[in-house]
Amino acid sequence: AQSVTQLDSHVSVSEGTPVLLRCNYSSSYSPSLFWYVQHPNKGLQLLLKYTSAATLVKGINGFEAEFKKSETSFHLTKPSAHMSDAAEYFCVVSPNYGGSQGNLIFGKGTKLSVKP
Amino acid sequence: NAGVTQTPKFQVLKTGQSMTLQCAQDMNHNSMYWYRQDPGMGLRLIYYSASEGTTDKGEVPNGYNVSRLNKREFSLRLESAAPSQTSVYFCASSESYRSYEQYFGPGTRLTVT
Repeated sequence: AQSVTQLDSHVSVSEGTPVLLRCNYSSSYSPSLFWYVQHPNKGLQLLLKYTSAATLVKGINGFEAEFKKSETSFHLTKPSAHMSDAAEYFCVVSPNYGGSQGNLIFGKGTKLSVKP
Repeated sequence: NAGVTQTPKFQVLKTGQSMTLQCAQDMNHNSMYWYRQDPGMGLRLIYYSASEGTTDKGEVPNGYNVSRLNKREFSLRLESAAPSQTSVYFCASSESYRSYEQYFGPGTRLTVT
């Protein structure tokens, strides 16, 4: 079975400081992993994806994530937070077997606050 | 190019009433999905349509029905609304069921009293 755990429900940083949002996954198969961002009262937007190519994945708005199989982690980072990064972030896993790729499994979300 | 559109944006229902949430996409995608989002729960898949003419249950299908009207449109129906169905509903689409990137609509905020 596949699952994803976001280790922090809320992270608060100051503008200009680094961001780290943590995600661990569990999968019986080699998974695909994603981060989605949801700004207040908006739909979800894909930030970045890992699909078994390079383990360090770069996304939009300066975010990146590193797939670490040994640690079953896919943490999201950004060197310097901007006020516009305040949003909720979802770590997502997709099973890579049996035509189930569309059955995305979402973490519970991490709300990022950015202080001026 | 509007992407994925949903109507209505907000709705208040009384227990036992019925309603249909509408979703349309203009990206010529084959697959479409309905999710619900509850505080602290992330998104959970209600139903999906891998291709036109097919629909399948997701994680939380009870109390809902869907119709894939054509390639563009995928509707979600609540036959007899219950307070437990108070949630934000998102429609999404993807090029195929095997493609990983799903595009989301802006959501419908539903309250059942």
